[in-house]
Amino acid sequence: DAKTTQPNSMESNEEEPVHLPCNHSTISGTDYIHWYRQLPSQGPEYVIHGLTSNVNNRMASLAIAEDRKSSTLILHRATLRDAAVYYCILRLTGNQFYFGTGTSLTVIP
Amino acid sequence: GAVVSQHPSWVICKSGTSVKIECRSLDFQATTMFWYRQFPKQSLMLMATSNEGSKATYEQGVEKDKFLINHASLTLSTLTVTSAHPEDSSFYICSASFFGGVSYEQYFGPGTRLTVT
Repeated sequence: DAKTTQPNSMESNEEEPVHLPCNHSTISGTDYIHWYRQLPSQGPEYVIHGLTSNVNNRMASLAIAEDRKSSTLILHRATLRDAAVYYCILRLTGNQFYFGTGTSLTVIP
Repeated sequence: GAVVSQHPSWVICKSGTSVKIECRSLDFQATTMFWYRQFPKQSLMLMATSNEGSKATYEQGVEKDKFLINHASLTLSTLTVTSAHPEDSSFYICSASFFGGVSYEQYFGPGTRLTVT
């Protein structure tokens, strides 16, 4: 029972920033926002997660709206290796993840 | 980052036989492990949640007698597909969760491709 909505697909030019949006209007106060990405025939790879404040790591940045009903994953310089399906997921109380359809990111050389 | 392994990475079996898939957390102890299945061009679907030493909790519509889950230790969970049929052919993925000091973190295995002939 996915609780997030994302665009089905997005394109980006190589070496340009990419902003991947996610809506989660039913988020509760204790739900963490997680982002993973998946290449074909591989398990999902952890990208970043956060609760309220914006987060940065070596892979990406996560911008969380003040009302927490939406968030944006930011890849600062897209490379061809960043082409994948990106999933925005809410971690519920029991730590379960219910995946939505994700955003398929195409990076154009 | 934390590493989760699965074995085998792929398996082909005949209809009616059983197949066991192992999921191991290699460098951490997992409080909870999860099993997912993924059909081609579809998203991951959560099958069950498994805590060490207790019975797994299955999602609605998942047959617990067909998909047997054993969570023998904090680093090992197994999924056995019993009496497999061609419709069970899928990509099975496990994940393992632990408390990372601030929040729970979850890492996924590389997946196991099951083909039932």
